[in-house]
Amino acid sequence: DTEVTQTPKHLVMGMTNKKSLKCEQHMGHRAMYWYKQKAKKPPELMFVYSYEKLSINESVPSRFSPECPNSSLLNLHLHALQPEDSALYLCASKIRDNQETQYFGPGTRLLVL
Amino acid sequence: GENVEQHPSTLSVQEGDSAVIKCTYSDSASNYFPWYKQELGKGPQLIIDIRSNVGEKKDQRIAVTLNKTAKHFSLHITETQPEDSAVYFCAAFTGTASKLTFGTGTRLQVTL
Repeated sequence: DTEVTQTPKHLVMGMTNKKSLKCEQHMGHRAMYWYKQKAKKPPELMFVYSYEKLSINESVPSRFSPECPNSSLLNLHLHALQPEDSALYLCASKIRDNQETQYFGPGTRLLVL
Repeated sequence: GENVEQHPSTLSVQEGDSAVIKCTYSDSASNYFPWYKQELGKGPQLIIDIRSNVGEKKDQRIAVTLNKTAKHFSLHITETQPEDSAVYFCAAFTGTASKLTFGTGTRLQVTL
């Protein structure tokens, strides 16, 4: 089973709201990723967690706050977002960060009003 | 860092024809090349991959070829079907940087 799940599927939020995206995998993967994808573009890496520790932050604004409470779960906390943050947010995982095969979840479609 | 170019950006073929998508990469240290298919409203799905010690890999109607000397790799889909319509992304993985770099994507449309 190579399943990464994400909730919610869709999210609409105002610029003053606080919300969270959730990602879960039960494959025993120890590397988990957040990507942002705008329409007609490839995924852009935001954060990398390796063994529950943040290892890469691709200069993401602080209004995005990742959290990895355990090896199966990855959250992305959102606060004071801008309309340009509207995008598909994808979670991905793999066995370890230096291993190759990466699996993506279905994504959360976020609209910021 | 790695740079991956992908062509064409759009491709329209008739059902039953073959489709070919080409990618080039810049970093000779890249050693793993996956292809993802992304349908509308869904996440990218890994459909096939190839490692740098292999020249060709096939899985039913899908094949990938790799030319390390020229630094390019291609996706071949034979006997295309309407359900093959999607956006396809190539990518290159550089183990030393532990980073996956994506191409810009190809929108494939298979018409009846």
